[in-house]
Amino acid sequence: QVQLKESGPGLVQPSQTLSLTCTVSGFSLTSYSVHWVRQRSGKGLEWMGRMWSDGVTSYNSAFTSRLSISRDTSKSQVFLEMNSLQTEDTGTYYCARNSAYYSDGTSYFDYWGQGVMVTVSS
Amino acid sequence: DIQMTQSPSLLSASVGDRVTLSCNTSQNIYKYLNWYQQKLGEAPKLLIYNVNSLQTGIPSRFSGSGSGTDFTLSISSLQPEDVATYYCYQYNSGPTFGAGTKLELK
Repeated sequence: QVQLKESGPGLVQPSQTLSLTCTVSGFSLTSYSVHWVRQRSGKGLEWMGRMWSDGVTSYNSAFTSRLSISRDTSKSQVFLEMNSLQTEDTGTYYCARNSAYYSDGTSYFDYWGQGVMVTVSS
Repeated sequence: DIQMTQSPSLLSASVGDRVTLSCNTSQNIYKYLNWYQQKLGEAPKLLIYNVNSLQTGIPSRFSGSGSGTDFTLSISSLQPEDVATYYCYQYNSGPTFGAGTKLELK
């Protein structure tokens, strides 16, 4: 069955770099896109960026300068790195699979990880 | 960037009520709008895609409508398990979530 699981450090110091891993199973990263979505504490959902199935990435302009998404298809892992962390980056980070892209452009997040809580604090 | 406005931000309703949540976008997004439900402590879940297509397994009391820049999620008869925050999401351009509507029981 399809599963996604985020992992990473629970605590990051301000100004440091956050590194998260999304390990997937039940599907191939070369067939499906994977997104990263953030939820700051007590706030709404925020789309961060995407790793397309062909290896191309796209980012929310609000994060472009400090966000990088990469992958290792042999390990079925998608990585998020974000630098210059501040306390306002505290929250839960999710990875989500994009459904297949239909001919009419239809797509949606069909599977989500459980999320990983990240606290930015000294 | 496309701006999204959800209203109301908080909605209190009684079991059995019909409830309507709104989502407006700053530009025409055609049919590229989905609705997600997020219960406390859980990951979001897809309810509706392409404005009005019900995801498999979602109760038929949920429905979506709208076009262009104005969209609506309706629950025909509110159930206790529907208490959650609801987010609209557009993917016509530079994907964006709305700020959410928190639905609570009166």
